[in-house]
Amino acid sequence: DTGVSQDPRHKITKRGQNVTFRCDPISEHNRLYWYRQTLGQGPEFLTYFQNEAQLEKSRLLSDRFSAERPKGSFSTLEIQRTEQGDSAMYLCASSLAGFQDTQYFGPGTRLTVL
Amino acid sequence: AQKVTQAQTEISVVEKEDVTLDCVYETRDTTYYLFWYKQPPSGELVFLIRRNSFDEQNEISGRYSWNFQKSTSSFNFTITASQVVDSAVYFCALSDTGRRALTFGSGTRLQVQP
Repeated sequence: DTGVSQDPRHKITKRGQNVTFRCDPISEHNRLYWYRQTLGQGPEFLTYFQNEAQLEKSRLLSDRFSAERPKGSFSTLEIQRTEQGDSAMYLCASSLAGFQDTQYFGPGTRLTVL
Repeated sequence: AQKVTQAQTEISVVEKEDVTLDCVYETRDTTYYLFWYKQPPSGELVFLIRRNSFDEQNEISGRYSWNFQKSTSSFNFTITASQVVDSAVYFCALSDTGRRALTFGSGTRLQVQP
């Protein structure tokens, strides 16, 4: 079984640049989540999709953040005009809607904004 | 609103000792789901267990066991005969029917010394 994959694993960028991350969920999973984790903290929810519909967005998801899941498969998370405060690990998870709706996580993308 | 509290920031034990990680949760929903995840130094969150609010049976899986008590809103995790490979950060998390996303605690860092 292929797990959740994320690309890139690491990204270093300069303040003000735009970055885009990709997440490929487990193939039969219809739900996809994005979380952000800063050092020493638990992951915090950003947004979630069921198929291609974005069903919930956190208040953490400022106007500079946008996420898409155009065909209900992979998803992208874009951050525009990055700030130093955006430095974090961005985690993607997927799940299959239903009774056993358990989220499985990818390895994450570590973003460093200089 | 949901909340998960892991009061133990860091625990250090010697190999073969038993250790219990505490988790206290808050939710207004009567149907909810509790999870434990392990985050080893590599960074990827590994799913350990999911528990439904209507199933209060304790569970044992090898050296791992979980004690779910609705009366005290706790879902504690015990590792028996700890090993160095158990060293990681452990997160307790909660979701309910009103919110599919996981609300995580701040994590407990477990260090098992040889």
